[in-house]
Amino acid sequence: TQLLEQSPQFLSIQEGENLTVYCNSSSVFSSLQWYRQEPGEGPVLLVTVVTGGEVKKLKRLTFQFGDARKDSSLHITAAQPGDTGLYLCAGQYNNNDMRFGAGTRLTVKP
Amino acid sequence: DTEVTQTPKHLVMGMTNKKSLKCEQHMGHRAMYWYKQKAKKPPELMFVYSYEKLSINESVPSRFSPECPNSSLLNLHLHALQPEDSALYLCASSQEWQFYEQYFGPGTRLTVT
Repeated sequence: TQLLEQSPQFLSIQEGENLTVYCNSSSVFSSLQWYRQEPGEGPVLLVTVVTGGEVKKLKRLTFQFGDARKDSSLHITAAQPGDTGLYLCAGQYNNNDMRFGAGTRLTVKP
Repeated sequence: DTEVTQTPKHLVMGMTNKKSLKCEQHMGHRAMYWYKQKAKKPPELMFVYSYEKLSINESVPSRFSPECPNSSLLNLHLHALQPEDSALYLCASSQEWQFYEQYFGPGTRLTVT
């Protein structure tokens, strides 16, 4: 059974601070997505990572995929109130199983 | 167009009612999904349709009945629900059934009274 752990569960920071969210598994991912969800809305796809060691940037967001493809991180630089939301990682495994992480609820205070 | 639409946005129903949730996508995606999301929790997969055939049923109670009339439409028929079924119901689609880059609709907020 694949376990996907996401941390931290909650994060409350001031505007301008940096933060990192982690997604880890005991098994190798075939691919992994990061989503952002605002209250009352569906998750919105931010990025997909597929290759070990891959780094992708989306404005102030940097996504990394571990060399062994068992972990990923999302780093936000100079967080803004508009970054507030639920961040979800979703990992796929070679047996077509897919798991969502428990989510990180980020609050950025002005 | 990367939009998945869902109707209605809000639904309140009694335990004896029958209602349906609707989902539509025009991206040519061949896989469509229903998820249930409780407050402060991640989405939980309920059903997967691939090429209009039911591929995955995650042991969902029979009071939830999915239907895929064509490649663009997905319905979820609801009957005899319980108050604990109150949740946000999300529809998603992807190019193929590989859970790869799913596009989600805005959801239907369901309240069962």
